[in-house]
Amino acid sequence: GQNIDQPTEMTATEGAIVQINCTYQTSGFNGLFWYQQHAGEAPTFLSYNVLDGLEEKGRFSSFLSRSKGYSYLLLKELQMKDSASYLCAVQTGANNLFFGTGTRLTVIP
Amino acid sequence: EAGVAQSPRYKIIEKRQSVAFWCNPISGHATLYWYQQILGQGPKLLIQFQNNGVVDDSQLPKDRFSAERLKGVDSTLKIQPAKLEDSAVYLCASSPLWNTEAFFGQGTRLTVV
Repeated sequence: GQNIDQPTEMTATEGAIVQINCTYQTSGFNGLFWYQQHAGEAPTFLSYNVLDGLEEKGRFSSFLSRSKGYSYLLLKELQMKDSASYLCAVQTGANNLFFGTGTRLTVIP
Repeated sequence: EAGVAQSPRYKIIEKRQSVAFWCNPISGHATLYWYQQILGQGPKLLIQFQNNGVVDDSQLPKDRFSAERLKGVDSTLKIQPAKLEDSAVYLCASSPLWNTEAFFGQGTRLTVV
């Protein structure tokens, strides 16, 4: 079975930094994705990690530790438009893609 | 490049009725996924196709749900008969290769009353 855990909700202040954690236990691992989903919209791709370490892309960074089954998404210089759900997804063998429950982030002024 | 197309966008049916959703993936994408997303939860994988073959349908409630991808291009997902707990957004996604991002359609919001 697949088990992917994330905090349900987080709140952070505009301009601040927030870290969203994801832990996983899956049968097989081919990579980890982070998606952003605004209310009523489809998920959109943010980042992909397959090797241990940090991947930086503008205000967004994602970290992976395969030995610990752990990843985080780091959002810097938060903006109001960053209020959304952030989904951690693990790709296992045969290109399967399993999602966690998502973390709803609220950015306040 | 055109995105993943889904229809209809919204559907309201009574319990025990049947319903079908359609998905046209991005041209050339071999992998197609159907997900069910209940309000406040993450997407749950229902079925995954690689071209026209099923790779994973372990979480598909096969007594009422069925899906096909004839000719390895577009796909349909059917529910028959629907239950109240099937109310959700049904998302279709596609990807071109292994270890690449999946692109999502806008989804079909199903309400069963």
